[in-house]
Amino acid sequence: DIQMTQSPASLSASLEEIVTITCQASQNIGNWLAWYQQKPGKSPQLLIYGTTSLADGVPSRFSGSRSGTQYSLKISRLQVEDIGIYYCQQASSTPYTFGAGTKLELK
Amino acid sequence: EVQLVESGGGLVQPGRSLKLSCAASGFTFSDYNMAWVRQAPKKGLEWVATISYDGSSTYYRDSVKGRFTISRDNAKSTLYLQMDSLRSEDTATYYCARGSGGYSELGMDAWGQGASVTVSS
Repeated sequence: DIQMTQSPASLSASLEEIVTITCQASQNIGNWLAWYQQKPGKSPQLLIYGTTSLADGVPSRFSGSRSGTQYSLKISRLQVEDIGIYYCQQASSTPYTFGAGTKLELK
Repeated sequence: EVQLVESGGGLVQPGRSLKLSCAASGFTFSDYNMAWVRQAPKKGLEWVATISYDGSSTYYRDSVKGRFTISRDNAKSTLYLQMDSLRSEDTATYYCARGSGGYSELGMDAWGQGASVTVSS
């Protein structure tokens, strides 16, 4: 199975700050990487697919990138509504696997 | 508006069965791969199974293979998950999810509200 190592596990940041979350894939997954946001008590929401493509309705302050087998989600200017848990997911091959999640809180 | 509504969750004893349903609306259900993803209490997301748009292909994680069956009825725009020989470690909220753009490789762009399954004696 492909392992997705996500870091950090938790993150405290201030409003308007730049936030970066990373996922390291245990093997080549190409660009088949998605990012999700889950707010407390809610279902996950797709933010990014195909490593860099923004899902419908997602603010442009969110962006995705890749360097080799390391994938990053960047929030350019943190807003209150961005608080939640973020997950990466590889969609290259089954079993599709998720990172353990990053809990993002306001400082 | 795209909607996915799960039903059929509940409390069940170990070794027993349960069948989840997911009613889809607001899109052409038969054009999309569909999946079940679960989340144990206070834990992360775990992919369970995927079915192709026409039902011809199914995929499962190893821990549910042979116990769970994913299926769909495109005429009814409904996705199913038959869960047999349930174990305590199957306790989770089960989400129905749609493959983005119809494809599993592009992530999951619509999710239901979740159905809670508790396996306990």
